[in-house]
Amino acid sequence: DTGVSQDPRHKITKRGQNVTFRCDPISEHNRLYWYRQTLGQGPEFLTYFQNEAQLEKSRLLSDRFSAERPKGSFSTLEIQHTEQGDSAMYLCASSLSLAGVQETQYFGPGTRLLVL
Amino acid sequence: AQSVTQPDIHITVSEGASLELRCNYSYGATPYLFWYVQSPGQGLQLLLKYFSGDTLVQGIKGFEAEFKRSQSSFNLRKPSVHWSDAAEYFCAVEIRGSYIPTFGRGTSLIVHP
Repeated sequence: DTGVSQDPRHKITKRGQNVTFRCDPISEHNRLYWYRQTLGQGPEFLTYFQNEAQLEKSRLLSDRFSAERPKGSFSTLEIQHTEQGDSAMYLCASSLSLAGVQETQYFGPGTRLLVL
Repeated sequence: AQSVTQPDIHITVSEGASLELRCNYSYGATPYLFWYVQSPGQGLQLLLKYFSGDTLVQGIKGFEAEFKRSQSSFNLRKPSVHWSDAAEYFCAVEIRGSYIPTFGRGTSLIVHP
């Protein structure tokens, strides 16, 4: 088990372009989370999946953002028509949710996005 | 909604000195409580967590934290800091059953040799 991986690690794009990030969770984990972290702040929750179902979305997740987890394994986060305010670190985390047991989230290294 | 306050943006300590990082939360009931560490350019690593039971929690890398209900606090401590402990530390709280943590803004730890 190599932990949570994210790709790419860094992305520079021009305003208005679309970008897509990928997250590969720990293999047996059924929950997958996306967070955004801006400089000097803690991570802010964006959305999470249980298997392939997207169960919760933050108000931070505008219509330009979409996340998928088509087969309940890896996930993608797409940002359309990027804006400079989208510049941030995008973190993915996964966890194993068992009934009655509080889970621990394991974080990936993040994708740092810079929108010029 | 719950909130988390880490009142110290930066903390500077000498190597070998003791450390305490403060965390206060605002929520009516006892939440789940976490401390994470983040090294530059890296994701977050869980140091320790409190769910219930003993209010003094032991974690990895020699860290411990104490939950004090009366003060709504969950302060992180280490008796002797190493230079490799220099990093960003985040406290997080989670409403039981929500599965969504709220993070503080973090405390940056600087370690002087």
